[in-house]
Amino acid sequence: QKEVEQNSGPLSVPEGAIASLNCTYSDRGSQSFFWYRQYSGKSPELIMFIYSNGDKEDGRFTAQLNKASQYVSLLIRDSQPSDSATYLCAVNLLALSGNMLTFGGGTRLMVKP
Amino acid sequence: DAGITQSPRHKVTETGTPVTLRCHQTENHRYMYWYRQDPGHGLRLIHYSYGVKDTDKGEVSDGYSVSRSKTEDFLLTLESATSSQTSVYFCAIMAGQNYNEQFFGPGTRLTVL
Repeated sequence: QKEVEQNSGPLSVPEGAIASLNCTYSDRGSQSFFWYRQYSGKSPELIMFIYSNGDKEDGRFTAQLNKASQYVSLLIRDSQPSDSATYLCAVNLLALSGNMLTFGGGTRLMVKP
Repeated sequence: DAGITQSPRHKVTETGTPVTLRCHQTENHRYMYWYRQDPGHGLRLIHYSYGVKDTDKGEVSDGYSVSRSKTEDFLLTLESATSSQTSVYFCAIMAGQNYNEQFFGPGTRLTVL
């Protein structure tokens, strides 16, 4: 079992819809959680982080964290074709020393006009 | 881009040759990281540094060494490149106040023939 898991996709949604991206992690003691967006041929870009149970909203993006169930999700409202990218979930696993992140394999999102 | 540059941006080399990749940052961040990204494996940590001359291994450190002689530069060396080291290499810095946010450089695409 991978420590941080994501469905590789592609997840295809029509323009204007809500895209829902999910991530599960193995270490119940993990403290902080991150979502990165990566366009093809580019570097990962941090878009959200969350550390408390519940929802955190930033513009069209909402991160949701449920530590009891060990999952974190990212909702993208009013999806646009420009949101088409790979979304990486990263977790600061408690088992790791220092300030290290473990990344999931990413979910490719396609927003169709 | 959090003031991070990587050089070279692209390199083609032959098996058995030494290769050094450079990561340069301008904002005096303490933590720096080297990742590789491959299809099907996502981002994997190679080595990281928590200060000048302070480095440690990550998940996939075999065949790689690093050095950090000054705060702004973190070098990744492949002593004798192999075809399995063909990858995209990203440098990252940690810049968040409390939650381990990492920010990435533009990446180096390395091809070992």
